[in-house]
Amino acid sequence: QSALTQPVSVSGSPGQSITISCSGTTIDIGSYKYVSWYQQHPGKAPKLIIHEVSDRPSGVSHRFSGSKSGNTASLTISGLQTDDEADYYCSSYTTSSAFVFGSGTKVTVL
Amino acid sequence: QITLKESGPTLVKPRQTLTLTCTCSGFSLTTTGVAVGWIRQPPGKALEWLALIYWDDEKRYSPSLSSRLTITKDTSKNQVVLTLTNVDPVDTATYYCARTSIIAVAFNYWGQGTQVTVS
Repeated sequence: QSALTQPVSVSGSPGQSITISCSGTTIDIGSYKYVSWYQQHPGKAPKLIIHEVSDRPSGVSHRFSGSKSGNTASLTISGLQTDDEADYYCSSYTTSSAFVFGSGTKVTVL
Repeated sequence: QITLKESGPTLVKPRQTLTLTCTCSGFSLTTTGVAVGWIRQPPGKALEWLALIYWDDEKRYSPSLSSRLTITKDTSKNQVVLTLTNVDPVDTATYYCARTSIIAVAFNYWGQGTQVTVS
């Protein structure tokens, strides 16, 4: 089972919007609404920011939004802030009743 | 308040068995719908899902590591234990445990992680 494919890096200026893609297959993203996104700052544990494609846990900024089309999910960060600089990982439930994570994307705020 | 904390050896020799414990508080491992999983992250690399155990003792494993992994739970101690046999330096990583559920199928609570070096 291969990792989901994400761009290595994405950058943007403060206030801009950026979108991170997460490409899977019909056995993961394409089969379920159970796509989630995690933010990880250096040396810290990941933090859930999106679950079930587009739902935000309580306390997560509305600047984070998620979507899905076919086998590809996307995370959009609007109004980019310096604290958004981190690594981001997507994840999906699979037809094998397992989970798979993405390859990770480093977000840089210019 | 829900918390998870990993514990185990920091250094393991090649070909040995690694045993990690996740001590959970603020919730019960027997609550319907609850599951706890293990995820690891080699230095500078991506997250990798390893295993999951459900409240009803159902277990799921990463297909690529299933022959080497075993996940169990001790409900009296509210702990989840992961064993990884025949370790290799490529198993060097930070190991996290995290909680999910059948309602919100995502890892919404994470432990701080424990670093394991195989050498």
